[in-house]
Amino acid sequence: GDSVTQMEGPVTLSEEAFLTINCTYTATGYPSLFWYVQYPGEGLQLLLKATKADDKGSNKGFEATYRKETTSFHLEKGSVQVSDSAVYFCALRRGNAGNMLTFGGGTRLMVKP
Amino acid sequence: EAGVTQFPSHSVIEKGQTVTLRCDPISGHDNLYWYRRVMGKEIKFLLHFVKESKQDESGMPNNRFLAERTGGTYSTLKVQPAELEDSGVYFCASSQDSVLRWQHGYTFGSGTRLTVV
Repeated sequence: GDSVTQMEGPVTLSEEAFLTINCTYTATGYPSLFWYVQYPGEGLQLLLKATKADDKGSNKGFEATYRKETTSFHLEKGSVQVSDSAVYFCALRRGNAGNMLTFGGGTRLMVKP
Repeated sequence: EAGVTQFPSHSVIEKGQTVTLRCDPISGHDNLYWYRRVMGKEIKFLLHFVKESKQDESGMPNNRFLAERTGGTYSTLKVQPAELEDSGVYFCASSQDSVLRWQHGYTFGSGTRLTVV
């Protein structure tokens, strides 16, 4: 079945450091890929998405590129801020497998001033 | 527009008791989903409504869980009787999907944190 694997956290960085959170997936066909973020006390928010190979999703300075050859969708940001502290979830969705999202385990990011 | 609303935000109950979680989707969204995250693990799918009909309930863990969506508006998820392993965060989401829009993500609520003691 479908699965998503992401690096375990927590990831602790200083402000303005470079961020990478690795995400790899297993799925048949051509899934859409997503990054969701959960800030403290809030719900899951869609951060960015990519719907086909080589697409790059971007939002709020975050980027992720859909790499079909390596089945990866790593999240990156060039300079993190304290306000980026949150839990990040990688997820996939296949249109021909119902409408469910398959999530990774989540990665907690802590950014220190 | 108002987002997806979940109530309560937190619930602490004793093992064996009953708890009912409620979700109000975005107005006009026919699709409503329940997910949960148990013990800091991955978020897992529970079920999917299209209007008032259960489209997919393959993720429901057992018959102690009952989901309803009468009238195709808000939904409830009842756990009866609750067990310790049911503790976690229960998320609701809604979307206005179509064949052409399945690539998009959902809008999630803030979740209900359930603690069974």
